[in-house]
Amino acid sequence: EIVLTQSPGTLSLSPGERATLSCRASQSVSSSYLAWYHHKPGQAPRLLIYGASSRATGIPDRFSGSGSGTDFTLTISRLEPEDFAVYYCQQYGSSPETFGQGTKVEIK
Amino acid sequence: QVQLQESGPGLVKPSQTLSLTCTVSGGSISSGGYYWSWIRQHPGKGLEWIGYIYNSGSSYYNPSLKSRVTISVDTSKNQFSLKLTSVTAADTAVYYCARFDYGGKRGFDYWGQGTLVTVSS
Repeated sequence: EIVLTQSPGTLSLSPGERATLSCRASQSVSSSYLAWYHHKPGQAPRLLIYGASSRATGIPDRFSGSGSGTDFTLTISRLEPEDFAVYYCQQYGSSPETFGQGTKVEIK
Repeated sequence: QVQLQESGPGLVKPSQTLSLTCTVSGGSISSGGYYWSWIRQHPGKGLEWIGYIYNSGSSYYNPSLKSRVTISVDTSKNQFSLKLTSVTAADTAVYYCARFDYGGKRGFDYWGQGTLVTVSS
């Protein structure tokens, strides 16, 4: 199975700052079938990005995804208060679908 | 707006069977192009895909759990269900149901809020 490693584990930033999150795969992700999710405790995870770079419905343009092969990035251009959460990457190019361990974006 | 809601016991005894149901509203489970999924999150850990099912009943499971998992679908009730047998404390987790957009290749686009299942005597 494809192992996804996210870095850093925790990112401490202030509102308005830029966040850059990394997701590295143990082998190439087929057809860039990589997604990013936003998750707050007690809430349903929310799909942000699919296909490595396409924003899901209703997701603001401060969120952007990039990358291919084994290296992917989620960028949040200017952090809003609701963006402080845990972010997961997930590949769905080969079974079993796998998730990264998450990056927590916390208020500095 | 599609909504998913998990239901089932929050406490299961070791060696017994964990059973959960996901009720889908705002959309039909019979719609093509979607797999109806179960995902879990162990306390303080990341997410683990358990498996999913198509409306026809075709199912796919994570090899790590395949011997203990059954996912079924009831299109008349717009529900799908998870059964996990021979549970241990290692199966204590928050269990989520989610829709996997297979046709649009968009990943898991709708999720339930999750339900905590504790395995303990």
